[in-house]
Amino acid sequence: DTEVTQTPKHLVMGMTNKKSLKCEQHMGHRAMYWYKQKAKKPPELMFVYSYEKLSINESVPSRFSPECPNSSLLNLHLHALQPEDSALYLCASSQVRREDRQETQYFGPGTRLLVL
Amino acid sequence: GQNIDQPTEMTATEGAIVQINCTYQTSGFNGLFWYQQHAGEAPTFLSYNVLDGLEEKGRFSSFLSRSKGYSYLLLKELQMKDSASYLCAVRRTGGFKTIFGAGTRLFVKA
Repeated sequence: DTEVTQTPKHLVMGMTNKKSLKCEQHMGHRAMYWYKQKAKKPPELMFVYSYEKLSINESVPSRFSPECPNSSLLNLHLHALQPEDSALYLCASSQVRREDRQETQYFGPGTRLLVL
Repeated sequence: GQNIDQPTEMTATEGAIVQINCTYQTSGFNGLFWYQQHAGEAPTFLSYNVLDGLEEKGRFSSFLSRSKGYSYLLLKELQMKDSASYLCAVRRTGGFKTIFGAGTRLFVKA
């Protein structure tokens, strides 16, 4: 099983709304990520959780708030977003094999967010 | 600083072989990912190279030269469904930071 699931698939929200994106994986991966991807651009790293602790925050505005309730779940709480935050939000998880440093990183299908 | 370069677009013919190059300059290099991304979909993991050399997985192979800061993805027996963007991404040491190149859009024609 190499599946990362994300809900919802699509989300439309106003600038005053509060919403949450959810991500789940059952591969036992201990690193989980949020990326933002605009059309025809590569994914941009937002946050990384390692062993349920926030490891990287790429200077993301505080209107995006990540949460890792347990080793399988990752949330992204959204509040007071701007229209320019409209994008595809991708969750990913990865695991490193210690003996040869081989790594696999799998992406979820993403949540397509539109902020009006 | 860091810099990852890939060609913007490539076109190839069904059944042919195509090589997509990626050059990088980064401090603290750990390894290099290749992903395939179809329009409107999430990236799909293809490979991760840590050591120099060629790794083959079916029709797709990936090569890395750490000393030259160079990698390529080789696609054999091209099929129409291989039309997609191909992203190379550098994993830096000391954490989980991954930096993506801008991607190469591959068009496969009949």
